Amino acid sequence: DIQMTQSPSTLSASVGDRVTITCRASQNINTWLAWYQQKPGKAPELLIYDASSLESGVPSRFSGRGSGTEFTLTISSLQPDDFATYYCQLYNSYPMYTFGQGTKLEIK
Amino acid sequence: EVQVLESGGGLVQPGGSLRLSCEGTGFTFSSYAMSWVRQAPGKGLDWVSSMAGSGGSTYHADSVKGRFTISRDNSKNTLYLQMNSLRAEDTAVYYCAREVGVQLGWYCDLWGRGTLVTVSS
Repeated sequence: DIQMTQSPSTLSASVGDRVTITCRASQNINTWLAWYQQKPGKAPELLIYDASSLESGVPSRFSGRGSGTEFTLTISSLQPDDFATYYCQLYNSYPMYTFGQGTKLEIK
Repeated sequence: EVQVLESGGGLVQPGGSLRLSCEGTGFTFSSYAMSWVRQAPGKGLDWVSSMAGSGGSTYHADSVKGRFTISRDNSKNTLYLQMNSLRAEDTAVYYCAREVGVQLGWYCDLWGRGTLVTVSS
């Protein structure tokens, strides 16, 4: 089974900071990676798919990069609304539906 | 409005059963695979079950295999999750989510608000 490892598990940052979250796969997954944002008490929302494609309506300060085994989600300038938990997800690997453990982005 | 809406959650005793429903509106329901994803209190996301748009192919996580059954009625635009032999560790918010393809194994672009299942005596 392919394992997905996210880091860090918690990240403290300030409004205006540039932050990067990393997701590593235990095997080559090409660009079959999505990123989600989840706020407390709410459902996850899709941010990025195919490792770097921005979902419609998502602010351009969010970007994704990577292929193979290492992927990043970057927020270029943190806004108050961005403090949430972020998950990566492997797909197109039926029957595997694998989420990363999550990264909680907190206000410093 | 394009949305999915879950129902059917509640409090159930260990060993009991519950059926969740998820109605999709505003899109051609049969054109999309659909999934159930759960989240235990304070924990991360955990994929439970998925079904192709046609209803042919299904997937169940090992943790629920043999106890949970996913099904759908495309004439009613509704996805179901029959949960039997429930355990305390099944306590979670259960989200219904639309996958971007008709076959299994994709990411989800539309999520419901979730329904809480609590397994406790």
